[in-house]
Amino acid sequence: EVHLVESGGGLVQPGGSLRLSCSASGFTFSNAWMHWVRQAPGKGLVWVSRIYSDGTGATYADSVKGRFTISRDNAKNTLYLQMNSLRAEDTAVYYCARDLAYSLHDWGQGNLVTVSS
Amino acid sequence: QSALTQPASVSGSPGQSITISCTGTSSDVGGYNYVSWYQQHPGKAPKLMISEVSNRPSGVSNRFSGSKSGNTASLTISGLQAEDEADYYCSSYTDINTRVFGGGTRLTVL
Repeated sequence: EVHLVESGGGLVQPGGSLRLSCSASGFTFSNAWMHWVRQAPGKGLVWVSRIYSDGTGATYADSVKGRFTISRDNAKNTLYLQMNSLRAEDTAVYYCARDLAYSLHDWGQGNLVTVSS
Repeated sequence: QSALTQPASVSGSPGQSITISCTGTSSDVGGYNYVSWYQQHPGKAPKLMISEVSNRPSGVSNRFSGSKSGNTASLTISGLQAEDEADYYCSSYTDINTRVFGGGTRLTVL
């Protein structure tokens, strides 16, 4: 069974940094493209970033480009999202998801990031 | 990277069928057969219901079906059940190698 577990969220001040992690199990992580998706409180899903299985090909939504960095450690079966220069509008639940046939086939339970002073 | 357009809400009675539309452009929905649909119950993670326009993942009820015409994709749920009440999101691959979601549709089962 596929398991994706996000961690690293919490309360951070505007302008601060945070690194989210997503621990994967139940599939061959090193073969999977992975994504981050976020959802602000009471709002819809917003795609954030994607990375290829070998760690290349990172792409980002315009809203986070230049501030967020997606990466992975295939030896540790872990996906990361480094978030810098955080803003209030980055407050959201962040989900990691596994890509299969250009769809987000499996999702983690989500991790809340709150940006506030 | 404008969001795909979905109706904010739809409703139907148990046993009826409903359809949710998802309109994009030739740069996303119209240009690729990589439209997917997700169901999200309150406080839960999204769940994939349809991939590649019309494919149902294992375990998804055959009451859920997807289609596409031009720049508009659609999700149809037949034989509505109380447990179908949820938010539904469409998503598409885009020509700049990103993904885009729709704004979401709240389904109410009357």
